[in-house]
Amino acid sequence: DAGVTQSPTHLIKTRGQQVTLRCSPKSGHDTVSWYQQALGQGPQFIFQYYEEEERQRGNFPDRFSGHQFPNYSSELNVNALLLGDSALYLCASSLGDLRTEAFFGQGTRLTVV
Amino acid sequence: GESVGLHLPTLSVQEGDNSIINCAYSNSASDYFIWYKQESGKGPQFIIDIRSNMDKRQGQRVTVLLNKTVKHLSLQIAATQPGDSAVYFCAEKRGGGADGLTFGKGTHLIIQP
Repeated sequence: DAGVTQSPTHLIKTRGQQVTLRCSPKSGHDTVSWYQQALGQGPQFIFQYYEEEERQRGNFPDRFSGHQFPNYSSELNVNALLLGDSALYLCASSLGDLRTEAFFGQGTRLTVV
Repeated sequence: GESVGLHLPTLSVQEGDNSIINCAYSNSASDYFIWYKQESGKGPQFIIDIRSNMDKRQGQRVTVLLNKTVKHLSLQIAATQPGDSAVYFCAEKRGGGADGLTFGKGTHLIIQP
């Protein structure tokens, strides 16, 4: 049973560019949440997707957007990249309400130069 | 400031000893708490969770204690092993709805041989 998978594992982008990160949830899970983790910090909640809709959003600008597909997989898009967007982007999946065990993927390391 | 925080950024223990990692939270509306372990280059790994209607929960070699009176959470690891070396995060989920998890900054657990 595959856990949460994310792609790519590493990515280097130039300031001002756009990036798309992908996540496949654990089998049986229908909810996907995205987090940004800066070096030496805890993960920060970006948003959560359920039934193909954004259900909740953290304190992130509109440059951060997402999508969930019918098969529950999800994408995170970041436009107009800033140097400060460099971080580990984590995807977590769960079943329904996040008050159940949430599984994280390995993350995508994004470096903006 | 963050509502979830850790008292010590680094904790060094002898192999075989018990470890206790502490966490403070400030939102009395939080009703679900999770401890995660994160090894270098990996995503957070679920260790144990506890709901606000409980004050103690035990897993394999780990125990989580919740003191709602002083808004304190702790993770106890019995007979610490080299493989326990990692950064440990506590996370909380606030209230109803689909809020994401709020993480603290983490405690780096170092195991001395």
